[in-house]
Amino acid sequence: DIVMTQSPDSLAVSLGERATINCKSNQSVLNSSKNKNYLAWHQQKPGQPPKLIIHWASTRESGVPERFSGSGSRADFTLTISSLQAEDVAVYYCQQYYSVPWTFGQGTKVEIK
Amino acid sequence: QVQLQESGPGLVKPSQTLSLTCIVSGGSISSGGYYWSWIRQHPGKGLEWIGYMYYTGSTYYNPSLKSRVIISVDTSKNQFSLSLSSVTAADTAVYYCAREDEGILGYWGQGTLVTVSS
Repeated sequence: DIVMTQSPDSLAVSLGERATINCKSNQSVLNSSKNKNYLAWHQQKPGQPPKLIIHWASTRESGVPERFSGSGSRADFTLTISSLQAEDVAVYYCQQYYSVPWTFGQGTKVEIK
Repeated sequence: QVQLQESGPGLVKPSQTLSLTCIVSGGSISSGGYYWSWIRQHPGKGLEWIGYMYYTGSTYYNPSLKSRVIISVDTSKNQFSLSLSSVTAADTAVYYCAREDEGILGYWGQGTLVTVSS
């Protein structure tokens, strides 16, 4: 199985400031022939199911605010919230879909400082 | 807009079989093109992907649960099901169903908490 490791486990950021979450996999999730990274980010607010916000490492889902961006390649990825809003308080999970079984990072809890 | 809704008992006794159903609306399972997954989340913990099925009945299960899992489909009712046998307290979790496209879990149900206890 591909192991996904996120850092930090939690972070507190002031409103309007940048939040950065890292995700590393123990093997590359890049399909070189398609030039696509099989990496998604999900947001889970308290009491709600996860919600897909980014796939292919950097493609935002429709309706997801532009302050959310994904970057990285191969085994090293980042989710950035450029200007944290109160409604962004959540746990964020990276997920690889390069090979089954799909696996998730342990999650990063984002709070307001 | 596709919607998914899990249903089933909230309490299961140890050693028994957990059975859940996911009702899909806003799209037909039998139209193809998508896989239908189950994922679980232990209380206060992260996410574990259980497995998926295609409308033809083909399946893939997480090896960690493979010996106890069956995912099946009823296209006439536009629903799919999860069966997990020989449950223990370690199977207590919120269970989600989801639609996936090439592994991208784009649509999730609200989830249902299943507690394993006597």
